[in-house]
Amino acid sequence: DAGITQSPRHKVTETGTPVTLRCHQTENHRYMYWYRQDPGHGLRLIHYSYGVKDTDKGEVSDGYSVSRSKTEDFLLTLESATSSQTSVYFCAIKTAGTNEQFFGPGTRLTVL
Amino acid sequence: GQQVMQIPQYQHVQEGEDFTTYCNSSTTLSNIQWYKQRPGGHPVFLIQLVKSGEVKKQKRLTFQFGEAKKNSSLHITATQTTDVGTYFCAGQEGNFNKFYFGSGTKLNVKP
Repeated sequence: DAGITQSPRHKVTETGTPVTLRCHQTENHRYMYWYRQDPGHGLRLIHYSYGVKDTDKGEVSDGYSVSRSKTEDFLLTLESATSSQTSVYFCAIKTAGTNEQFFGPGTRLTVL
Repeated sequence: GQQVMQIPQYQHVQEGEDFTTYCNSSTTLSNIQWYKQRPGGHPVFLIQLVKSGEVKKQKRLTFQFGEAKKNSSLHITATQTTDVGTYFCAGQEGNFNKFYFGSGTKLNVKP
C-alpha cells in the first residue's frame, strides 16, 4: 500500500519517557499525516506535513511534535508520554492527483 | 471547530440485509471520502465525492453527497460477511490538506 511502513509496530513505555514513532514512504509523496485512533473517536489528526520541514497542527496536537527532514520520513515524538497517549497511531500519505489517503499498518503504543 | 458526526456507532445485520451509515458535518465540505477498516487492519480508501448531490456506486455500495454538501451516506445492499468492518467518512473543508473523520460505524454481519 503506497510503500508505507511504520516502526515500531508495538511499543510499551512508561509515563514520562520520550517516544518517537517513524513513518517511512518510498514513493516521494509530498503530504504525510499522523493520526491517532481511539475507540469511539475514529481517527483524529495530530500533525501533518506538506513538504520537507513544512508541518502544521491537527486537532489533537498538544503533547506531540513532528519533524520531516527528508521526503521519505515523518517522525512523531511524544516528549513525555502520558497514559492518555495510549492509542493506535497511523501514518498516512495523500496522493496529489486523486486526493486519496493511504495508511500505514499502524503502531500500537501503550503508556503505563 | 469542524466536526463530522457519524451514526450509528454499531450495526448488527443478518447476511442479506441492507446497511446504511450516515455522516453529518457542522460546516459545508469541499468533498467527502469513505474508508473501510477491517478488524485489526488499517483504513482503506473507498471513494471520494465532490459535487453537490453526487451519487456513486461500487457494486453493492452506494455513496451519496447531500445537496448542501454537509451530509453523506453509504448504503450497502444485501450485505455479505466480507462487508464486516468499520466504515469511516472523512470530510475536507476549503483547505484540502486536513481531513476530519467521523467516529465510524462498526458493521457486524451474521451468516
